[in-house]
Amino acid sequence: DSGVTQTPKHLITATGQRVTLRCSPRSGDLSVYWYQQSLDQGLQFLIQYYNGEERAKGNILERFSAQQFPDLHSELNLSSLELGDSALYFCASSVLRGAGGPDTQYFGPGTRLTVL
Amino acid sequence: AQSVAQPEDQVNVAEGNPLTVKCTYSVSGNPYLFWYVQYPNRGLQFLLKYITGDNLVKGSYGFEAEFNKSQTSFHLKKPSALVSDSALYFCAVRVSTGTASKLTFGTGTRLQVTL
Repeated sequence: DSGVTQTPKHLITATGQRVTLRCSPRSGDLSVYWYQQSLDQGLQFLIQYYNGEERAKGNILERFSAQQFPDLHSELNLSSLELGDSALYFCASSVLRGAGGPDTQYFGPGTRLTVL
Repeated sequence: AQSVAQPEDQVNVAEGNPLTVKCTYSVSGNPYLFWYVQYPNRGLQFLLKYITGDNLVKGSYGFEAEFNKSQTSFHLKKPSALVSDSALYFCAVRVSTGTASKLTFGTGTRLQVTL
């Protein structure tokens, strides 16, 4: 158990809908990352938050957004869902000890999103 | 751009034999390299990382990895494979600027260990 929790484990929804995925980082970790894993795209970095502020952005669609709250949990919002958004969405967290500091990202179990 | 490559989609090994899962990297500056393992319907589990220092890094579950700067490689190894090692293995490189950080993953290598 990595200490990173994600809810829900599974989500089935229809095209055009909006969903929210939730992540709680390990105790003491300030940084949260979101990744998408799909068969055709592999593991792709979406976005990073550090202590409530967006720090890095990857291949995240404009229909997707995220935020990190004062208690450091994070939510990933996916809207106007398309069939191609079906994937496993992972959250990871790390301590991130300042600039250049080596940190290990610990991953949650993921949320499997199925868009029908 | 920083990247890693895993040239093998699948590696097949008999239990008890040594295993190697290959990874090569392309980075500017000092590479921070990681190996993760993913079991079916599970998240990614951290195995080991190379930051600096000793080129042989020891990790979880008896795995180790050898960093080779001249060959730009970071191969994952285990002296004696177990059937329970069968899983999907990912090599990754950490890309960071200040507090901005992300992992760039390889395409993954499926390890199949048979009796």
